[in-house]
Amino acid sequence: NAGVMQNPRHLVRRRGQEARLRCSPMKGHSHVYWYRQLPEEGLKFMVYLQKENIIDESGMPKERFSAEFPKEGPSILRIQQVVRGDSAAYFCASSPTQEADYGYTFGSGTRLTVV
Amino acid sequence: QKEVEQNSGPLSVPEGAIASLNCTYSDRVSQSFFWYRQYSGKSPELIMSIYSNGDKEDGRFTAQLNKASQYVSLLIRDSQPSDSATYLCAVTSNYGQNFVFGPGTRLSVLP
Repeated sequence: NAGVMQNPRHLVRRRGQEARLRCSPMKGHSHVYWYRQLPEEGLKFMVYLQKENIIDESGMPKERFSAEFPKEGPSILRIQQVVRGDSAAYFCASSPTQEADYGYTFGSGTRLTVV
Repeated sequence: QKEVEQNSGPLSVPEGAIASLNCTYSDRVSQSFFWYRQYSGKSPELIMSIYSNGDKEDGRFTAQLNKASQYVSLLIRDSQPSDSATYLCAVTSNYGQNFVFGPGTRLSVLP
């Protein structure tokens, strides 16, 4: 019974390149959340998606960042033209319902380093 | 702006002592409250949830909630060196669809 799977675990990109982060939710979960954790800071909500729909992207930077959760396959967080300030840990979580009232389990995260 | 605040620490306690971690939140409509533990370089791990005023105990952990004071705390009894981690307070926001996290309190349990 696999948990939330994220890959890659570590990703190094040069400034200006694109970063693609993948998240496969737990089996039976159709709600996915992305959070970002900058060094020495807490987690910040980025985006909440259901299959084929973005429900809340209020935490997403307006430029260069996008997210999708297609009908088939993992959720993708895409960062175009990365800059040093994008270096962070990106965590994904999933839940079976739209309410986060019961807490949710995070994946192991993707640590992005921009050089 | 909805905020969750915690003392950043580090909080140092001797092994076997009680560690007390505090959290305040600004959004009065928040209904659900969580404590996550995060070891360095790892992902956050859910350790406690609490939804109503009062205390909730689970093993060595006790969560306390006071909605009138907008205050949540976590007590860790008989602290162990393996409890050394950052503890994140999380509060539901936006009709329960996502969490607002505090900055975390770093706990160090000294052997």
